[in-house]
Amino acid sequence: DVKVTQSSRYLVKRTGEKVFLECVQDMDHENMFWYRQDPGLGLRLIYFSYDVKMKEKGDIPEGYSVSREKKERFSLILESASTNQTSMYLCASSLDGTQYFGPGTRLTVL
Amino acid sequence: GIQVEQSPPDLILQEGANSTLRCNFSDSVNNLQWFHQNPWGQLINLFYIPSGTKQNGRLSATTVATERYSLLYISSSQTTDSGVYFCAVERGQAGTALIFGKGTTLSVSS
Repeated sequence: DVKVTQSSRYLVKRTGEKVFLECVQDMDHENMFWYRQDPGLGLRLIYFSYDVKMKEKGDIPEGYSVSREKKERFSLILESASTNQTSMYLCASSLDGTQYFGPGTRLTVL
Repeated sequence: GIQVEQSPPDLILQEGANSTLRCNFSDSVNNLQWFHQNPWGQLINLFYIPSGTKQNGRLSATTVATERYSLLYISSSQTTDSGVYFCAVERGQAGTALIFGKGTTLSVSS
């Protein structure tokens, strides 16, 4: 069965903190994605990766970076968290087009 | 870029009723997926359906690629069907990031 896991379901951080969101998939998928979901704005693409050590910017990469050192793991980094990064963060992976999502991390930045 | 529009934005049903959700997209696409987001935020794959018709239990989907729309049918709705239904299309080649519609929020009451 397909499995995408995210390190935390809920996270509360302070403004200015460095935040790491981890995503792991066990399906040997090459493609991995980070989206954020906000009321009224839907899901928006932050970054994606087609292979280890490769990354591409999505629609809203400002304030974020990513790391993909191993095929199964794709990390989203908030270099200096701000209140406007309070959101639901969703990770996904795919191989042949079908995307599978993790459970999401609801991040609150105070 | 490709625009994805879903209708209706909200739908309220009594248990047992049938419904049709619509997704229009502005350009030809290689991939179209339907997702259900449950109340806990998890996005669950329903269908990968770039064209044709598929059925899975009480749910079925039809995509008419030449006319740029897809329909999701829910028959004999149950309270567990409540949540947000998203249509998403691929931006380019297979395996690339998805562009999501704003979703249809379905509420099924007993």
